[in-house]
Amino acid sequence: SQQGEEDPQALSIQEGENATMNCSYKTSINNLQWYRQNSGRGLVHLILIRSNEREKHSGRLRVTLDTSKKSSSLLITASRAADTASYFCATDLQGAQKLVFGQGTRLTINP
Amino acid sequence: EAQVTQNPRYLITVTGKKLTVTCSQNMNHEYMSWYRQDPGLGLRQIYYSMNVEVTDKGDVPEGYKVSRKEKRNFPLILESPSPNQTSLYFCASSYKRDAYEQYFGPGTRLTVT
Repeated sequence: SQQGEEDPQALSIQEGENATMNCSYKTSINNLQWYRQNSGRGLVHLILIRSNEREKHSGRLRVTLDTSKKSSSLLITASRAADTASYFCATDLQGAQKLVFGQGTRLTINP
Repeated sequence: EAQVTQNPRYLITVTGKKLTVTCSQNMNHEYMSWYRQDPGLGLRQIYYSMNVEVTDKGDVPEGYKVSRKEKRNFPLILESPSPNQTSLYFCASSYKRDAYEQYFGPGTRLTVT
């Protein structure tokens, strides 16, 4: 399996509800990043959390990182239709020269 | 406007016909990278460049070439495209390699028949 794996693969919720996506990884990281991709378009950076940080906020986004469990979660509060997209975690591996992307969670917000 | 541009956005070609996908960034970024995105496989890195004249293989480099003669440009070359290179391609750049967000281009959808 890949370094970064998102869970669930797909999530469908009602507008106004909160959405939580999880990411697990296998090896030590420098930081972990979350990206959003609208259908067929380029990825857009959402938030970066460093390995010595436990939680980070940006607007309606909250990211947590648990390095002991090698996992991260992305919470989107008060979801909107415009949040419908795929969300990817990307791990910045120690000693590597690249980000490794997971396969993503496809989020659908129903009006 | 800070951006990464790719051209062409869509391309249909035939097996064996050499093609180049251009990538340019206007942010003076040192690090640039090419990815391909396929259903069920996520994004996989093809090649990356730490700076001018410094390039290295990613996870799936076979069948691709790159060059970095100028800081702003990082073209992807398919010398002899094959149908298994049909994919959605993204170029990305970041200020430096470590701990900086990557900016992605809009993507190039390539079909090789």
